[in-house]
Amino acid sequence: GQNIDQPTEMTATEGAIVQINCTYQTSGFNGLFWYQQHAGEAPTFLSYNVLDGLEEKGRFSSFLSRSKGYSYLLLKELQMKDSASYLCAVTSGDYKLSFGAGTTVTVRA
Amino acid sequence: IAGITQAPTSQILAAGRRMTLRCTQDMRHNAMYWYRQDLGLGLRLIHYSNTAGTTGKGEVPDGYSVSRANTDDFPLTLASAVPSQTSVYFCASSDSAGGGANEQFFGPGTRLTVL
Repeated sequence: GQNIDQPTEMTATEGAIVQINCTYQTSGFNGLFWYQQHAGEAPTFLSYNVLDGLEEKGRFSSFLSRSKGYSYLLLKELQMKDSASYLCAVTSGDYKLSFGAGTTVTVRA
Repeated sequence: IAGITQAPTSQILAAGRRMTLRCTQDMRHNAMYWYRQDLGLGLRLIHYSNTAGTTGKGEVPDGYSVSRANTDDFPLTLASAVPSQTSVYFCASSDSAGGGANEQFFGPGTRLTVL
């Protein structure tokens, strides 16, 4: 099985930066995904990393270190609409997704 | 329709009853998945299908069954519901089962309560 850890909750101020860390242990590795999930809604895709390094997409960036089993999602210039849960998910050797429990980010004015 | 639809949106069910959750996608994706989401546990894979005609067991398959008669539909059946199956159920699909950034697209979910 997979072991994926991320903080339960984080709070930040509008306009600030928040970094959500994710550590994982997996048998085989075929990429790491970040999803965003607003309360009562379906998860939606944010990013995918399979090689080490930083992937930037507008205000959101995702970093991966395969040797350390570590990723982070960086949210810049936070907006109220960024209040949501952020799910870290790892694809293992059989290409199935295993999800962490999610990090709930609350953005305050 | 566009994307993935699920039905019903929510359901309250008596323990012991049989229930089928429906999932339909119109993206011609090969792979489909069923997850349950419980507070503090995240999304857990119940069953999956890599292509029409094939299915496989995920992390928590007991008490659930699936079928994949065609590309578009992937129903999930609870043969005899128990209270521990109270959860939010998400169906998802992806272009293929493996390789590359095959992001999964999720349906809106079904909130199921078993009393």
